[in-house]
Amino acid sequence: GAVVSQHPSRVICKSGTSVKIECRSLDFQATTMFWYRQFPKQSLMLMATSNEGSKATYEQGVEKDKFLINHASLTLSTLTVTSAHPEDSSFYICSARRTSGGGGEQFFGPGTRLTVL
Amino acid sequence: KNQVEQSPQSLIILEGKNCTLQCNYTVSPFSNLRWYKQDTGRGPVSLTIMTFSENTKSNGRYTATLDADTKQSSLHITASQLSDSASYICVVTDSWGKLQFGAGTQVVVTP
Repeated sequence: GAVVSQHPSRVICKSGTSVKIECRSLDFQATTMFWYRQFPKQSLMLMATSNEGSKATYEQGVEKDKFLINHASLTLSTLTVTSAHPEDSSFYICSARRTSGGGGEQFFGPGTRLTVL
Repeated sequence: KNQVEQSPQSLIILEGKNCTLQCNYTVSPFSNLRWYKQDTGRGPVSLTIMTFSENTKSNGRYTATLDADTKQSSLHITASQLSDSASYICVVTDSWGKLQFGAGTQVVVTP
């Protein structure tokens, strides 16, 4: 149990376009989902936390208008990178947690490799 | 300053040999510590989890230790296999559920 999927696994887009990444919890209801980005040879950096039905909470330095997050259901969250630029190229990983607060394991998705040309 | 420091940054070991990875943390208040394995181009997969009262936890050839007094943890890999080549990430969760990630140790197992 506790499987999280992401789609697509890889995406290449032109500069200026928008890209949507989906994160799904396949066998459990995820009250809270998290979005991370990871640069080569670096660890995961939390971008934002989203609870189902409410606005996402963004980490300091993350542009909310550039990285749009929607958590419309208990099994789906989406991250849209708007007007993508080459510096947005990165590995984006989502995670999902059953509970809305405190502890509870986060289950990570397989990641999405975004390349902006 | 990162609240979770891992060492070494990378290491190369021969297949069949053992190795130990280190994690020091300053996260407080502490809830739990997990070791994750992350294959290249994949998401992290949990290997072990330890709470304050646990000193050691095993998962197959992986054995993690925790000293909550000195705020140190280690991950020992026994009889390494080629498939163990990956990044190993130490993640400490505070009492509010916030995760602090180490930068990871890149392990390369060679034939």
